Amino acid sequence: DQQVKQNSPSLSVQEGRISILNCDYTNSMFDYFLWYKKYPAEGPTFLISISSIKDKNEDGRFTVFLNKSAKHLSLHIVPSQPGDSAVYFCAATLTGNQFYFGTGTSLTVIP
Amino acid sequence: DTGVSQNPRHKITKRGQNVTFRCDPISEHNRLYWYRQTLGQGPEFLTYFQNEAQLEKSRLLSDRFSAERPKGSFSTLEIQRTEQGDSAMYLCASSLGGGYTGNTIYFGEGSWLTVV
Repeated sequence: DQQVKQNSPSLSVQEGRISILNCDYTNSMFDYFLWYKKYPAEGPTFLISISSIKDKNEDGRFTVFLNKSAKHLSLHIVPSQPGDSAVYFCAATLTGNQFYFGTGTSLTVIP
Repeated sequence: DTGVSQNPRHKITKRGQNVTFRCDPISEHNRLYWYRQTLGQGPEFLTYFQNEAQLEKSRLLSDRFSAERPKGSFSTLEIQRTEQGDSAMYLCASSLGGGYTGNTIYFGEGSWLTVV
């Protein structure tokens, strides 16, 4: 059973606009969430994280929002750049040991 | 710090053969994880080590899979009697302590396995 879901397999955005990537989870016990970015033939690269005690975390152009009541998190990228084109995975954990990943959203930023 | 290193990067093997992958974590990291990723899926947890102790194993890790981290540094993942369903990217990751704030897990570039 997929405990972390990314229902949009792909997203296209114009350069300079906002990219919003969504993620839903089913386990209310998850207490730490992360976003990873992955280029083809490479391993995932850590992007940003958020603890369940927060509802927002910002790092430069990247902001993650957490809505615990809806079991939903989102990643906002503003402004989007062509170099942001990659597959984005959200992940969640409740122990800090095992991480559950979504299936990924492929973002294409159009110049 | 050269990051998490995995080799070989690519391995093609015949069904029934054994394969072994090696992972060298970031030097000061005491935790090491193995994940598997197939096309169209996110990484799936296989197992993790705290130093040399293997503390958790996924049900995905069948009897044909064995992972070791003998000296608490590098790790090996061996797959015996490979099957076509084993074809995947095997990802290694490491962290300093548990994967919470400040202890993010960092992935290597992965080892691609193709079983023919």
